[in-house]
Amino acid sequence: NAGVMQNPRHLVRRRGQEARLRCSPMKGHSHVYWYRQLPEEGLKFMVYLQKENIIDESGMPKERFSAEFPKEGPSILRIQQVVRGDSAAYFCASSPIGTGRHEQYFGPGTRLTVT
Amino acid sequence: TQLLEQSPQFLSIQEGENLTVYCNSSSVFSSLQWYRQEPGEGPVLLVTVVTGGEVKKLKRLTFQFGDARKDSSLHITAAQTGDTGLYLCAGVNEPGNTGKLIFGQGTTLQVKP
Repeated sequence: NAGVMQNPRHLVRRRGQEARLRCSPMKGHSHVYWYRQLPEEGLKFMVYLQKENIIDESGMPKERFSAEFPKEGPSILRIQQVVRGDSAAYFCASSPIGTGRHEQYFGPGTRLTVT
Repeated sequence: TQLLEQSPQFLSIQEGENLTVYCNSSSVFSSLQWYRQEPGEGPVLLVTVVTGGEVKKLKRLTFQFGDARKDSSLHITAAQTGDTGLYLCAGVNEPGNTGKLIFGQGTTLQVKP
């Protein structure tokens, strides 16, 4: 049973470019969460999605960041016009539908470096 | 302000010693998870506690959820070098939460041989 998959594992972008991070949830999971881990900081919630719906984006920066979870295919976190401050590890987690325990299973992360 | 305070932030002990990590808050959580994270990897779920006063054991690890569901502890007995890592507590706080996790800052544990 494959776990949460994220790609790429490492991504280098120059300032001003776009970064696209992909997340495939565990089989049978239809809830996806994105978190960001900045250097020397803890994990911070960004956005919660179900298929074709954004449920909670209270942790997303107001500009340049967007997320989607289409009916088919992986969830995508998109960062436009990246800046050095976007350098961080981005983690995706998935959760099975119907659980009241809010257990989330994390992928290995994408480490974004902006040069 | 940090909603979940973990202590200590760093812990360096000898193999065979016992240790306890604390996770405290002034808020009530509907559930609380403990994760362990290795460098360059994502957090791995160790346990979920949902009931006040609940105690769960995972081999040498004992997890407890406070009666008021505001705090939790992780106790490791006879630590081994393989226990080295970053331990994170994370909770879903009430009310009306969509399930997003609020994380503590983490406790970096180093177990020396």
